[in-house]
Amino acid sequence: ETGVTQSPTHLIKTRGQQVTLRCSSQSGHNTVSWYQQALGQGPQFIFQYYREEENGRGNFPPRFSGLQFPNYSSELNVNALELDDSALYLCASSVTGVVAEAFFGQGTRLTVV
Amino acid sequence: EDQVTQSPEALRLQEGESSSLNCSYTVSGLRGLFWYRQDPGKGPEFLFTLYSAGEEKEKERLKATLTKKESFLHITAPKPEDSATYLCAVQAGSGFQKLVFGTGTRLLVSP
Repeated sequence: ETGVTQSPTHLIKTRGQQVTLRCSSQSGHNTVSWYQQALGQGPQFIFQYYREEENGRGNFPPRFSGLQFPNYSSELNVNALELDDSALYLCASSVTGVVAEAFFGQGTRLTVV
Repeated sequence: EDQVTQSPEALRLQEGESSSLNCSYTVSGLRGLFWYRQDPGKGPEFLFTLYSAGEEKEKERLKATLTKKESFLHITAPKPEDSATYLCAVQAGSGFQKLVFGTGTRLLVSP
């Protein structure tokens, strides 16, 4: 059974640029969520995808967008990068249901300069 | 608004010195409370899910308990490899699987 994998592991971008982060879900999982974790803070929920549609969103602006593909892999896109977007971005996969354990990838460390 | 508060922020223990981490929460309709372990620069690693008050779960030196207002993570006879940040998260009745996290407790176990 493969776990959640994310790519790239590290990334440096310039303010104003766009970035795409990728995630492969754990085998058998059909729901993917993205979280942003600033240094010293807990992860903050960005959004969740199920059946290739966004079905829940946190307090993040529209320049944060995502996709889920038929094989349940996912992308997080961030446009017009700001310095405050520097963080660890985490992908979590789970099975659909009322309550389900979310399993996280190792994260992508994004630095905006 | 759903809120999770963890205490202490940091804890230093000697190897073998047992202690407890606290997670207090305010949510509308708790569906589950989760404990994760996070090593520096890595993603959170799932430890436990608790669903209702009175529930307890154990794994090696860790034991998690849940009341209507808080959860405790008890660490018995810790070892240096238990050093990590322990995160508590809740899932409330939002209709989708959104986790609300606390800021974590940084645990350092010295030999």
